Amino acid sequence: ETGVTQSPTHLIKTRGQQVTLRCSSQSGHNTVSWYQQALGQGPQFIFQYYREEENGRGNFPPRFSGLQFPNYSSELNVNALELDDSALYLCASSPRTSGDYYEQYFGPGTRLTVT
Amino acid sequence: AQSVTQPDIHITVSEGASLELRCNYSYGATPYLFWYVQSPGQGLQLLLKYFSGDTLVQGIKGFEAEFKRSQSSFNLRKPSVHWSDAAEYFCAVGHTGGGNKLTFGTGTQLKVEL
Repeated sequence: ETGVTQSPTHLIKTRGQQVTLRCSSQSGHNTVSWYQQALGQGPQFIFQYYREEENGRGNFPPRFSGLQFPNYSSELNVNALELDDSALYLCASSPRTSGDYYEQYFGPGTRLTVT
Repeated sequence: AQSVTQPDIHITVSEGASLELRCNYSYGATPYLFWYVQSPGQGLQLLLKYFSGDTLVQGIKGFEAEFKRSQSSFNLRKPSVHWSDAAEYFCAVGHTGGGNKLTFGTGTQLKVEL
């Protein structure tokens, strides 16, 4: 069984640029969530996708957007990058099939540095 | 609003000693509670979870946690720490409103002295 994978591992961008991060969910999981983890902090929920629709959003501006594809993989896009966007971006998948909550399985993350 | 507090930022224990990491949560309904571990530069690995039932839950790597509703706590314990347990530990509460998201504490960094 393949776990959650993310690409790229590391990324360096300049302020004002745009970035796309990618995530492949664990086999059988249809829900993908994205989290931002700043240095020394716990992960913060950005948004979640279920059946290709956004299914909840945290306190992040609209320049953070996402997509989920029919194979349940997902992208996180960030426009107009700011220095404070430098963080570890974590993707998590879960096998949600009903209103019940299921634990989330995390990928290794993408380390984004904005200069 | 839901929140998680991990009052200890850093903890140092000797190898072989017992460990308890504290976690307090604030949530209006029955919480779904989790402990995750993160090694440097890595993602999060689920150690254990509490959804309902027995308030003492067993996890991987010899960890256990006890849910105490009256104290709004979900402390993580291990009877004998190994040097490989050195990592950062996060407590989280899960909730289904607005997506089944996790709200994390700020983490406790565990150092193990040999």
